[in-house]
Amino acid sequence: DVKVTQSSRYLVKRTGEKVFLECVQDMDHENMFWYRQDPGLGLRLIYFSYDVKMKEKGDIPEGYSVSREKKERFSLILESASTNQTSMYLCASSLPGQRANVLTFGAGSRLTVL
Amino acid sequence: GNSVTQMEGPVTLSEEAFLTINCTYTATGYPSLFWYVQYPGEGLQLLLKATKADDKGSNKGFEATYRKETTSFHLEKGSVQVSDSAVYFCALSQAGNQFYFGTGTSLTVIP
Repeated sequence: DVKVTQSSRYLVKRTGEKVFLECVQDMDHENMFWYRQDPGLGLRLIYFSYDVKMKEKGDIPEGYSVSREKKERFSLILESASTNQTSMYLCASSLPGQRANVLTFGAGSRLTVL
Repeated sequence: GNSVTQMEGPVTLSEEAFLTINCTYTATGYPSLFWYVQYPGEGLQLLLKATKADDKGSNKGFEATYRKETTSFHLEKGSVQVSDSAVYFCALSQAGNQFYFGTGTSLTVIP
């Protein structure tokens, strides 16, 4: 089975802390994505990456950064967590550039910032 | 631009009822269309997809037909089960690198 693994299912952090959310995929996918899911807002794209060391801003990149040093790993970083970043974070991956490509999602990381 | 609009929930149905969740889209060109499902406590998983006009995607008794003339991709199931309780997301993809999601529709099926 193909898998996208998010290392932390639940995190509780304090305002101002630096937060790392890790995502690893074992499908040799070029594309990786970080989404944020909030009730009534659906999924909003934070960042995505087409290849190692490449990244593109999504719809809501403010307050976030990403790192992709290896093809299988895509990390989301909150430099200084704030309460409005309390949310469910979903990582996904896909093959590149074909219309029928499917996103494969991880189970999600639920972050609470106090 | 690209966007997806799906019917607001929550939707509550009795077991064996007929389900329709409406989804319409705005897109340039010819996108691929998807339905994803999210069971409680889990990430999203692909339910079905269609890549061109008039294609019908189907899986687990769910169906959706890609209607270019009405820019719609409505999800249907003839007889829902309690195990179908989940949040359903309609989505489109342009060129496979950009995905656009609706806001999700929560479905609860009661015995």
